[in-house]
Amino acid sequence: GAGVSQTPSNKVTEKGKYVELRCDPISGHTALYWYRQSLGQGPEFLIYFQGTGAADDSGLPNDRFFAVRPEGSVSTLKIQRTERGDSAMYLCASSWDRGSEAFFGQGTRLTVV
Amino acid sequence: AQSVTQLDSQVPVFEEAPVELRCNYSSSVSVYLFWYVQYPNQGLQLLLKYLSGSTLVKGINGFEAEFNKSQTSFHLRKPSVHISDTAEYFCAVSDQWKGAQKLVFGQGTRLTINP
Repeated sequence: GAGVSQTPSNKVTEKGKYVELRCDPISGHTALYWYRQSLGQGPEFLIYFQGTGAADDSGLPNDRFFAVRPEGSVSTLKIQRTERGDSAMYLCASSWDRGSEAFFGQGTRLTVV
Repeated sequence: AQSVTQLDSQVPVFEEAPVELRCNYSSSVSVYLFWYVQYPNQGLQLLLKYLSGSTLVKGINGFEAEFNKSQTSFHLRKPSVHISDTAEYFCAVSDQWKGAQKLVFGQGTRLTINP
């Protein structure tokens, strides 16, 4: 595609439920990143994939958060037992490799009620 | 560990006036520096980046920034702003060894252009 695509654009879920957020990177980009942006804050790093493997997951806040990229393209961020504090904008970005510019998607706004 | 401080959370400016958005960083290693812009309900767009070489970096939409290693700053400037520049601006830093991954962002500066 022309840019990084994230779906859904908005997600409202009840506390305790499981959610999946999808990121479709720019075709050919080997590096993929997830960030979380709380209201009024800058984005915070969650996880970085190089190909299919998670090269750095040091930003995942706890074991309720998990991300996969099984074929080295589309990635899914999975959140179990959602809490109200998980409410935020989740941003995905991709780049040709770890040294080049990262292009961001428009984000998924997650609201946990 | 790295950190970024954007010294102003909000900057109101009149149209056609100059603007400077301030950014300071701290890091124990050599860094790459970035400025991103976020328009309402949109993702982040790269304005400019400093990787190496000339400390004055020119970006899109008439913006420029200057890397000052001794002051650990990377302030963003534009000589004459337009209404369309109204947006949130984020300064970010990354470890040179790690490249563009794992960006550390500041809290953002909301630039409001008044007619």
